[in-house]
Amino acid sequence: NAGVTQTPKFQVLKTGQSMTLQCAQDMNHEYMSWYRQDPGMGLRLIHYSVGAGITDQGEVPNGYNVSRSTTEDFPLRLLSAAPSQTSVYFCASSYSGDGGQPQHFGDGTRLSIL
Amino acid sequence: RKEVEQDPGPFNVPEGATVAFNCTYSNSASQSFFWYRQDCRKEPKLLMSVYSSGNEDGRFTAQLNRASQYISLLIRDSKLSDSATYLCRGGNNRLAFGKGNQVVVIP
Repeated sequence: NAGVTQTPKFQVLKTGQSMTLQCAQDMNHEYMSWYRQDPGMGLRLIHYSVGAGITDQGEVPNGYNVSRSTTEDFPLRLLSAAPSQTSVYFCASSYSGDGGQPQHFGDGTRLSIL
Repeated sequence: RKEVEQDPGPFNVPEGATVAFNCTYSNSASQSFFWYRQDCRKEPKLLMSVYSSGNEDGRFTAQLNRASQYISLLIRDSKLSDSATYLCRGGNNRLAFGKGNQVVVIP
């Protein structure tokens, strides 16, 4: 039972480069979300999805794009990386997004932008 | 006002003592809350679910106070291994976390 799988685990980018952080879950969860975590800032919601084809912005969406073409996958795209996007990124999923279910987290992607 | 707020601490507690901390929430429509434990910026892991007035699991007790809109977590007989950051989660759809309560158990 893999749960939530994030790839890559570590990545170093140069300013202006683009990349996609992958997230996949095998629990048939409808709700998926991306968070970033910076020192002293806690987990901040970037984007979330309540089901395939449906996405919405969270607290800090600027500079990031998402899509949800399947229930299993929820990739996060950085179109033009900036040093301010250096962070640890967590993907999470839950059975529903109504707040009544706990989330399962991937083990994170540590991203550095030079 | 942020949807979920926590005092980051740190909360320094002697081994064997009891420590308690709160998480306040702004969305009165929130029905369920969760406490997560996070070690050294690893992924958060579910500690306890709080669906009604509270929950208890061994040395850990969570209480929900809807009138004052806060959730508390109490750890009894603290162990060195309890040192971690404890995150509170609330909200609907835009599932929000607090900044976490850092607990340091001192030998």
